[in-house]
Amino acid sequence: ILNVEQSPQSLHVQEGDSTNFTCSFPSSNFYALHWYRWETAKSPEALFVMTLNGDEKKKGRISATLNTKEGYSYLYIKGSQPEDSATYLCALRDNYGQNFVFGPGTRLSVLP
Amino acid sequence: ETGVTQSPTHLIKTRGQQVTLRCSSQSGHNTVSWYQQALGQGPQFIFQYYREEENGRGNFPPRFSGLQFPNYSSELNVNALELDDSALYLCASSPRREQYEQYFGPGTRLTVT
Repeated sequence: ILNVEQSPQSLHVQEGDSTNFTCSFPSSNFYALHWYRWETAKSPEALFVMTLNGDEKKKGRISATLNTKEGYSYLYIKGSQPEDSATYLCALRDNYGQNFVFGPGTRLSVLP
Repeated sequence: ETGVTQSPTHLIKTRGQQVTLRCSSQSGHNTVSWYQQALGQGPQFIFQYYREEENGRGNFPPRFSGLQFPNYSSELNVNALELDDSALYLCASSPRREQYEQYFGPGTRLTVT
């Protein structure tokens, strides 16, 4: 059974600060790791899908890395903006493709 | 905009009642998954439907059941509601069973009193 942890639980940063948070998992026995951004009162929005050890993905000021050997993924936000305020969810997709196991999320607040 | 819609937005039920939640998939998507998100937790997988058949189930009791229709819209039914069923229920659609990417609806907030 996959188990996904995320840290920190919540984070407050000033506008312009860069920040990062962690998704950790005990096993590399999964097909893909997904990052989602979930703004209040909206639907979770897909950010990245990563499958290979060493994968790095980037979208604008946001990037992510995957280390399956040591069991973690980092999400980085460069120069945080208030619109980055959201909950960031990490999820592992199992090898059968049927089940996403989500972490509890990191809630980011960017203060102007 | 994802194109996945859910109804109703909010719902209040009493313990022991039954509830039906609805989800309309994004156009062209034949796979729907349902998740329960309790306060302070990540979404928990309930089940997945692919082409009108259940294609996988999480650790939820049989009183959680579902349907998928020929147009790939879906329902989640919960019988004998319990207080712990209070949660946000999310549906997500995918263009194929492998769920390489899924697109979420905004959720239905269910409160059981």
